[in-house]
Amino acid sequence: GAVVSQHPSRVICKSGTSVKIECRSLDFQATTMFWYRQFPKQSLMLMATSNEGSKATYEQGVEKDKFLINHASLTLSTLTVTSAHPEDSSFYICSAGEQGIAGNTIYFGEGSWLTVV
Amino acid sequence: QKEVEQDPGPLSVPEGAIVSLNCTYSNSAFQYFMWYRQYSRKGPELLMYTYSSGNKEDGRFTAQVDKSSKYISLFIRDSQPSDSATYLCAMIWGGAQKLVFGQGTRLTINP
Repeated sequence: GAVVSQHPSRVICKSGTSVKIECRSLDFQATTMFWYRQFPKQSLMLMATSNEGSKATYEQGVEKDKFLINHASLTLSTLTVTSAHPEDSSFYICSAGEQGIAGNTIYFGEGSWLTVV
Repeated sequence: QKEVEQDPGPLSVPEGAIVSLNCTYSNSAFQYFMWYRQYSRKGPELLMYTYSSGNKEDGRFTAQVDKSSKYISLFIRDSQPSDSATYLCAMIWGGAQKLVFGQGTRLTINP
């Protein structure tokens, strides 16, 4: 079946540095991918919609200069957390939809744990 | 009022029990309904995907959709400790990819 792969699964970075997380659709092409953030014991919070070949669409309250999204190809979207701070420590998850006869089936990556120290 | 309401639990049942997880929604435009299972510190895993009212069965799992009542359910038969996870309902408009999630229900199956 369709698979969405995320890398790295865990990353620790120093405060003030930037870190990049990759999201790949392995079996299908995805013109749109989504980036979520999840805090412990809470549901997923949509951060932004990544659009292949154009600018990402950010949800209200999400800083676009802080969370840079690039969707350079139909199978790859990247999220870069710039000038990371400890409060950016979280679980980041991407998703992509596979177009089918019965609409879109949305698959999620395994998630990336970011710890900023 | 949230678009999708889901009891966050936690829900704890003995092994072998039948589990019923439910979500209600307010927007009749939703056409596709999904259930995801999320283990601790992992990304959500798609369990069931339905797009019409009625039942869909896959092994021990049955997804039920009642569009007239705006109500969806996930039943787990012969529950196992390995089913312990958070279960998220999600739904989507036709042609869209932006999911709307419930809060997630934390389920524990006790051996």
